[in-house]
Amino acid sequence: NAGVTQTPKFRVLKTGQSMTLLCAQDMNHEYMYWYRQDPGMGLRLIHYSVGEGTTAKGEVPDGYNVSRLKKQNFLLGLESAAPSQTSVYFCASSYVSPYNEQFFGPGTRLTVL
Amino acid sequence: KNEVEQSPQNLTAQEGEFITINCSYSVGISALHWLQQHPGGGIVSLFMLSSGKKKHGRLIATINIQEKHSSLHITASHPRDSAVYICAAPNYGGSQGNLIFGKGTKLSVKP
Repeated sequence: NAGVTQTPKFRVLKTGQSMTLLCAQDMNHEYMYWYRQDPGMGLRLIHYSVGEGTTAKGEVPDGYNVSRLKKQNFLLGLESAAPSQTSVYFCASSYVSPYNEQFFGPGTRLTVL
Repeated sequence: KNEVEQSPQNLTAQEGEFITINCSYSVGISALHWLQQHPGGGIVSLFMLSSGKKKHGRLIATINIQEKHSSLHITASHPRDSAVYICAAPNYGGSQGNLIFGKGTKLSVKP
């Protein structure tokens, strides 16, 4: 089992460009999450999904959109990237509840110039 | 919103020392998480505990629900324990899918 995978691992964008980050999990988990990690701050929840076809806003959703068309995939989109979105992005999943153990992907380092 | 505070922010130890990392939270919870972030960036879950103590190898996690406090101990520390240790607590009053994460404790164990 691959667990949770993320593509790409690194990306550099110019301000205003768009991109999509892909998260995939092979553990049949219901819940999936997108976090961002910035220096000096804890992980912060951007968006999450409680099942296929559902999405919800987290703590810092502005500037991002998500989709969960298939249970195993959770996509994070940046429509018009801004330098403030420079960060490391982590995807995670959990079986039933967000309060259960969460399994994390390896992260995507995004730089917006 | 649950506030999660960790101390210390940074910790340097000599190999073999006993390590303690502390985590406090402001709102009562049912369980607390401890995670480890490797120098390469990967994050793994170490413990999820709701009472008492859990042990895994040289790592021990304790929680005091009444005092809203948890500790992570590492016995006989080793350079491979060097990592960032993060605690996280449920945010019952916030988004349904929310864990609130501490800022992490960066541990460096010198040989």
